[in-house]
Amino acid sequence: AQTVTQSQPEMSVQEAETVTLSCTYDTSESDYYLFWYKQPPSRQMILVIRQEAYKQQNATENRFSVNFQKAAKSFSLKISDSQLGDAAMYFCAYRSYSGNTPLVFGKGTRLSVIA
Amino acid sequence: EAQVTQNPRYLITVTGKKLTVTCSQNMNHEYMSWYRQDPGLGLRQIYYSMNVEVTDKGDVPEGYKVSRKEKRNFPLILESPSPNQTSLYFCASSPFRDSTETQYFGPGTRLLVL
Repeated sequence: AQTVTQSQPEMSVQEAETVTLSCTYDTSESDYYLFWYKQPPSRQMILVIRQEAYKQQNATENRFSVNFQKAAKSFSLKISDSQLGDAAMYFCAYRSYSGNTPLVFGKGTRLSVIA
Repeated sequence: EAQVTQNPRYLITVTGKKLTVTCSQNMNHEYMSWYRQDPGLGLRQIYYSMNVEVTDKGDVPEGYKVSRKEKRNFPLILESPSPNQTSLYFCASSPFRDSTETQYFGPGTRLLVL
């Protein structure tokens, strides 16, 4: 079974600075998807960024980018120019390519942004 | 607006009193799923459905039931709730064969079982 590990329960960053959240996963599959979800205090789950395992290029969405290392099974999220609105829980998630399997989530990293 | 809706958003109940949390999506998605979120445990899947009349157990199905009679609806049923089912529940949906495999989440239902 696949597992997702987020080793940093809490992180903090100064406003306008850059922070990197770590995520590692374990799988025997070669095709899969990886996600970062943001959960603000409203508790809604918001997709931040998505990476297909077959793509070598790292995904980027505005200030959010990932460092995907397939061989190392690592999928870190970099937030540049951090803003107060970035403060939230961040979840890393894995999903098999087959489509009929669930999202497997890590336990989350709580990010605080200091003004 | 494309969305997943859940009702109720907040619910306080007592042990043993049957309840249903509704979930509806307007995106014609085949795949729907229920998760529960507990502190320190992240999100864990309860049940999922790949299409109408097709449901299957996730990682933590005990104490829950689901049904999928229509494509848009996927209610979660707690026949006899217990305090250990106090949690934050999310419904999610996605196109089954969409290459993005992105799941869209509802706003969550916070349940307290006394």
